[in-house]
Amino acid sequence: AQKVTQAQTEISVVEKEDVTLDCVYETRDTTYYLFWYKQPPSGELVFLIRRNSFDEQNEISGRYSWNFQKSTSSFNFTITASQVVDSAVYFCALKRDDKIIFGKGTRLHILP
Amino acid sequence: DADVTQTPRNRITKTGKRIMLECSQTKGHDRMYWYRQDPGLGLRLIYYSFDVKDINKGEISDGYSVSRQAQAKFSLSLESAIPNQTALYFCATSDSGNTEAFFGQGTRLTVV
Repeated sequence: AQKVTQAQTEISVVEKEDVTLDCVYETRDTTYYLFWYKQPPSGELVFLIRRNSFDEQNEISGRYSWNFQKSTSSFNFTITASQVVDSAVYFCALKRDDKIIFGKGTRLHILP
Repeated sequence: DADVTQTPRNRITKTGKRIMLECSQTKGHDRMYWYRQDPGLGLRLIYYSFDVKDINKGEISDGYSVSRQAQAKFSLSLESAIPNQTALYFCATSDSGNTEAFFGQGTRLTVV
């Protein structure tokens, strides 16, 4: 069975603060892929990052960074110096044998 | 033109009616998926297909059926719509392996 847990339902931070969104996954396979998506208020789903199970290197893209730890089955997402435009729902997803399942999402509010 | 196109974008239908949501893609992907999004429940997988002859049930397939008419087309049907099927529905495509899911713009369905 595969499962993705995003325990934080909703987070509010003041602009310029750093914020970390948690993602914990479950799978028995050794080969799998992890993704993060952003859903802004307009509703579309925007792909942010992919990671395969054999690559535990952390990644940084501008203000965004991702921390993948197989030992704790976590793939956390940090936004540094948050901006109002970061307000959205963020989804973590797990792909195994081409079946893709999503967590329930974390709604992030960045307050001006 | 969008790579993944869903029609209609919005639909209001009455309880008991049959309704079909259509999805077409120009990505050339074999894998296609239908998800529904409800507030607080994230994206839940309804059905997924690896090719025209390979269709699989997802987490919440009851009350739904699908048809993969061609590699590029994957339709979702509600045989007898009920109000708790009111939701935002997304179609997605992907390739095998580490390719992320590419999403359509969504169909907002209201069953009254």
